[in-house]
Amino acid sequence: EAQVTQNPRYLITVTGKKLTVTCSQNMNHEYMSWYRQDPGLGLRQIYYSMNVEVTDKGDVPEGYKVSRKEKRNFPLILESPSPNQTSLYFCASSLSSWGNTEAFFGQGTRLTVV
Amino acid sequence: DQQVKQNSPSLSVQEGRISILNCDYTNSMFDYFLWYKKYPAEGPTFLISISSIKDKNEDGRFTVFLNKSAKHLSLHIVPSQPGDSAVYFCAASARRNYGQNFVFGPGTRLSVLP
Repeated sequence: EAQVTQNPRYLITVTGKKLTVTCSQNMNHEYMSWYRQDPGLGLRQIYYSMNVEVTDKGDVPEGYKVSRKEKRNFPLILESPSPNQTSLYFCASSLSSWGNTEAFFGQGTRLTVV
Repeated sequence: DQQVKQNSPSLSVQEGRISILNCDYTNSMFDYFLWYKKYPAEGPTFLISISSIKDKNEDGRFTVFLNKSAKHLSLHIVPSQPGDSAVYFCAASARRNYGQNFVFGPGTRLSVLP
Protein backbone atom coordinates (compact mmCIF):
# COMPACT_ATOMS: atom_id res chain seq x y z
CA GLU A 1 0.00 0.00 0.00
CA ALA A 2 1.32 3.42 -1.01
CA GLN A 3 1.83 5.49 2.08
CA VAL A 4 3.72 8.16 3.98
CA THR A 5 4.50 7.19 7.56
CA GLN A 6 5.29 9.68 10.29
CA ASN A 7 6.38 8.98 13.82
CA PRO A 8 5.50 9.75 16.50
CA ARG A 9 1.83 10.71 16.12
CA TYR A 10 1.81 12.67 19.35
CA LEU A 11 4.70 14.22 21.27
CA ILE A 12 4.91 16.44 24.33
CA THR A 13 8.34 17.82 25.08
CA VAL A 14 10.04 20.58 27.03
CA THR A 15 11.66 23.71 25.69
CA GLY A 16 15.17 23.12 24.44
CA LYS A 17 15.12 19.33 24.29
CA LYS A 18 16.16 18.20 20.81
CA LEU A 19 13.70 16.01 18.97
CA THR A 20 13.31 14.31 15.60
CA VAL A 21 10.12 13.48 13.76
CA THR A 22 10.64 10.73 11.22
CA CYS A 23 9.00 10.46 7.81
CA SER A 24 9.21 7.61 5.35
CA GLN A 25 7.52 6.99 1.99
CA ASN A 26 7.32 3.79 -0.07
CA MET A 27 6.42 5.29 -3.46
CA ASN A 28 9.93 6.08 -4.68
CA HIS A 29 9.01 9.76 -4.83
CA GLU A 30 11.81 12.22 -5.36
CA TYR A 31 10.02 15.18 -3.80
CA MET A 32 9.32 15.34 -0.07
CA SER A 33 8.33 18.21 2.19
CA TRP A 34 7.30 19.18 5.68
CA TYR A 35 4.34 21.39 6.58
CA ARG A 36 2.95 22.77 9.77
CA GLN A 37 -0.76 23.41 10.22
CA ASP A 38 -1.91 26.19 12.51
CA PRO A 39 -5.45 27.52 13.02
CA GLY A 40 -6.43 30.09 10.40
CA LEU A 41 -3.15 29.71 8.53
CA GLY A 42 -3.59 26.45 6.65
CA LEU A 43 -0.54 24.38 5.82
CA ARG A 44 2.75 26.23 5.58
CA GLN A 45 5.81 24.63 4.07
CA ILE A 46 8.84 24.32 6.37
CA TYR A 47 11.43 22.57 4.21
CA TYR A 48 11.41 20.55 1.04
CA SER A 49 13.72 18.15 -0.74
CA MET A 50 13.87 17.51 -4.46
CA ASN A 51 16.14 14.49 -4.15
CA VAL A 52 18.77 12.82 -1.98
CA GLU A 53 21.08 15.43 -0.47
CA VAL A 54 19.05 18.26 -2.04
CA THR A 55 17.05 20.30 0.47
CA ASP A 56 15.86 23.88 0.65
CA LYS A 57 13.87 26.22 2.87
CA GLY A 58 10.16 26.66 2.53
CA ASP A 59 8.14 29.54 3.95
CA VAL A 60 8.73 28.97 7.68
CA PRO A 61 12.13 27.24 8.15
CA GLU A 62 13.34 29.01 11.30
CA GLY A 63 14.05 26.60 14.15
CA TYR A 64 13.98 23.49 11.97
CA LYS A 65 16.49 21.29 10.18
CA VAL A 66 16.06 18.44 7.76
CA SER A 67 18.20 15.84 6.07
CA ARG A 68 17.73 13.58 3.06
CA LYS A 69 20.33 10.84 3.13
CA GLU A 70 18.06 8.24 1.56
CA LYS A 71 15.28 8.69 -0.96
CA ARG A 72 12.57 7.23 1.26
CA ASN A 73 13.35 9.13 4.49
CA PHE A 74 13.04 12.82 5.33
CA PRO A 75 13.33 13.49 9.07
CA LEU A 76 12.44 16.84 10.64
CA ILE A 77 14.78 17.96 13.42
CA LEU A 78 14.05 20.55 16.09
CA GLU A 79 17.41 21.27 17.72
CA SER A 80 15.99 23.48 20.49
CA PRO A 81 12.19 23.41 20.43
CA SER A 82 10.27 26.42 21.67
CA PRO A 83 6.56 26.82 22.56
CA ASN A 84 5.85 28.62 19.27
CA GLN A 85 6.68 25.37 17.50
CA THR A 86 3.66 23.72 19.09
CA SER A 87 1.71 22.68 16.02
CA LEU A 88 0.43 19.86 13.84
CA TYR A 89 3.10 18.67 11.44
CA PHE A 90 2.64 16.84 8.14
CA CYS A 91 5.17 15.17 5.93
CA ALA A 92 4.28 14.81 2.25
CA SER A 93 5.75 13.28 -0.87
CA SER A 94 4.98 13.63 -4.56
CA LEU A 95 6.25 12.51 -7.93
CA SER A 96 6.89 15.98 -9.23
CA SER A 97 8.54 19.11 -7.90
CA TRP A 98 6.38 21.22 -10.19
CA GLY A 99 3.30 21.09 -8.02
CA ASN A 100 1.21 19.67 -10.83
CA THR A 101 0.79 16.28 -9.23
CA GLU A 102 -0.93 15.36 -6.04
CA ALA A 103 0.97 15.14 -2.79
CA PHE A 104 0.54 12.21 -0.43
CA PHE A 105 0.47 13.18 3.22
CA GLY A 106 1.33 11.34 6.38
CA GLN A 107 -1.16 11.16 9.23
CA GLY A 108 0.42 14.02 11.11
CA THR A 109 2.42 14.58 14.28
CA ARG A 110 0.88 16.72 16.97
CA LEU A 111 3.73 18.38 18.85
CA THR A 112 3.35 20.28 22.11
CA VAL A 113 6.33 22.17 23.51
CA VAL A 114 5.96 23.28 27.14
CA ASP B 1 -0.10 38.36 3.08
CA GLN B 2 -1.85 35.12 2.20
CA GLN B 3 -1.62 34.28 -1.48
CA VAL B 4 -4.45 31.75 -1.27
CA LYS B 5 -7.58 32.71 0.65
CA GLN B 6 -10.61 30.78 1.73
CA ASN B 7 -12.81 33.40 3.29
CA SER B 8 -15.40 31.06 4.74
CA PRO B 9 -13.98 29.24 7.76
CA SER B 10 -17.05 27.01 7.89
CA LEU B 11 -20.07 25.99 5.85
CA SER B 12 -23.14 23.91 6.73
CA VAL B 13 -25.25 22.23 4.07
CA GLN B 14 -28.20 19.85 4.14
CA GLU B 15 -27.63 16.33 2.87
CA GLY B 16 -28.52 16.04 -0.82
CA ARG B 17 -28.01 19.73 -1.54
CA ILE B 18 -25.09 21.40 -3.27
CA SER B 19 -21.98 22.47 -1.36
CA ILE B 20 -19.96 25.32 -2.84
CA LEU B 21 -16.53 26.04 -1.40
CA ASN B 22 -14.70 29.12 -2.60
CA CYS B 23 -11.04 30.02 -2.97
CA ASP B 24 -9.37 33.23 -4.11
CA TYR B 25 -5.74 33.76 -5.00
CA THR B 26 -3.57 36.79 -5.57
CA ASN B 27 -0.55 35.44 -7.47
CA SER B 28 -1.23 35.51 -11.22
CA MET B 29 1.67 33.10 -11.76
CA PHE B 30 -0.25 30.21 -10.21
CA ASP B 31 -1.02 27.72 -12.95
CA TYR B 32 -2.23 24.63 -11.16
CA PHE B 33 -4.82 24.28 -8.43
CA LEU B 34 -5.78 21.39 -6.20
CA TRP B 35 -8.35 20.65 -3.53
CA TYR B 36 -7.56 18.45 -0.56
CA LYS B 37 -9.92 17.01 2.00
CA LYS B 38 -8.93 16.43 5.61
CA TYR B 39 -10.67 14.37 8.25
CA PRO B 40 -9.78 14.73 11.95
CA ALA B 41 -6.65 12.83 12.99
CA GLU B 42 -5.72 12.12 9.38
CA GLY B 43 -3.49 13.77 6.80
CA PRO B 44 -4.98 15.69 3.88
CA THR B 45 -5.96 13.59 0.87
CA PHE B 46 -6.11 14.75 -2.72
CA LEU B 47 -9.58 15.36 -4.10
CA ILE B 48 -9.47 17.07 -7.48
CA SER B 49 -7.27 19.43 -9.47
CA ILE B 50 -7.40 21.82 -12.39
CA SER B 51 -4.83 23.31 -14.70
CA SER B 52 -4.98 27.00 -15.56
CA ILE B 53 -5.60 26.15 -19.21
CA LYS B 54 -9.02 24.78 -18.24
CA ASP B 55 -12.03 26.37 -16.61
CA LYS B 56 -13.74 23.24 -15.36
CA ASN B 57 -12.85 19.76 -14.21
CA GLU B 58 -15.32 17.15 -13.07
CA ASP B 59 -14.90 13.92 -11.15
CA GLY B 60 -18.09 12.23 -10.06
CA ARG B 61 -19.88 14.41 -7.52
CA PHE B 62 -17.01 16.90 -7.44
CA THR B 63 -16.50 19.74 -9.91
CA VAL B 64 -13.92 22.49 -9.73
CA PHE B 65 -14.43 25.75 -11.62
CA LEU B 66 -11.64 28.20 -12.36
CA ASN B 67 -12.16 31.87 -13.24
CA LYS B 68 -8.70 33.17 -14.05
CA SER B 69 -9.74 36.75 -14.67
CA ALA B 70 -11.27 36.91 -11.19
CA LYS B 71 -8.49 34.77 -9.65
CA HIS B 72 -11.19 32.60 -8.16
CA LEU B 73 -11.95 28.93 -8.02
CA SER B 74 -14.74 26.97 -6.47
CA LEU B 75 -15.44 23.36 -5.57
CA HIS B 76 -18.97 22.08 -6.06
CA ILE B 77 -20.15 18.90 -4.38
CA VAL B 78 -23.45 17.54 -5.68
CA PRO B 79 -25.19 15.90 -3.96
CA SER B 80 -23.59 16.48 -0.58
CA GLN B 81 -23.32 13.49 1.74
CA PRO B 82 -22.60 13.30 5.49
CA GLY B 83 -19.27 11.61 4.68
CA ASP B 84 -18.21 14.80 2.92
CA SER B 85 -18.01 16.56 6.29
CA ALA B 86 -14.34 17.53 6.56
CA VAL B 87 -11.96 20.46 6.21
CA TYR B 88 -11.26 21.38 2.60
CA PHE B 89 -8.00 23.05 1.61
CA CYS B 90 -7.45 24.88 -1.63
CA ALA B 91 -3.84 24.77 -2.90
CA ALA B 92 -2.05 26.49 -5.76
CA SER B 93 1.30 26.10 -7.46
CA ALA B 94 3.38 27.91 -10.05
CA ARG B 95 5.87 26.29 -12.42
CA ARG B 96 8.27 29.16 -11.94
CA ASN B 97 8.34 28.35 -8.22
CA TYR B 98 9.90 25.02 -9.06
CA GLY B 99 10.60 23.17 -5.86
CA GLN B 100 8.34 25.14 -3.56
CA ASN B 101 5.34 23.11 -4.57
CA PHE B 102 2.00 24.17 -3.11
CA VAL B 103 0.66 27.21 -1.33
CA PHE B 104 -2.34 26.29 0.80
CA GLY B 105 -5.34 28.28 1.91
CA PRO B 106 -6.50 28.24 5.55
CA GLY B 107 -9.26 25.71 4.90
CA THR B 108 -13.06 25.60 5.08
CA ARG B 109 -14.82 23.23 7.44
CA LEU B 110 -17.82 21.66 5.70
CA SER B 111 -20.59 20.10 7.75
CA VAL B 112 -23.21 18.11 5.86
CA LEU B 113 -26.29 17.70 8.01
CA PRO B 114 -28.42 14.54 7.67
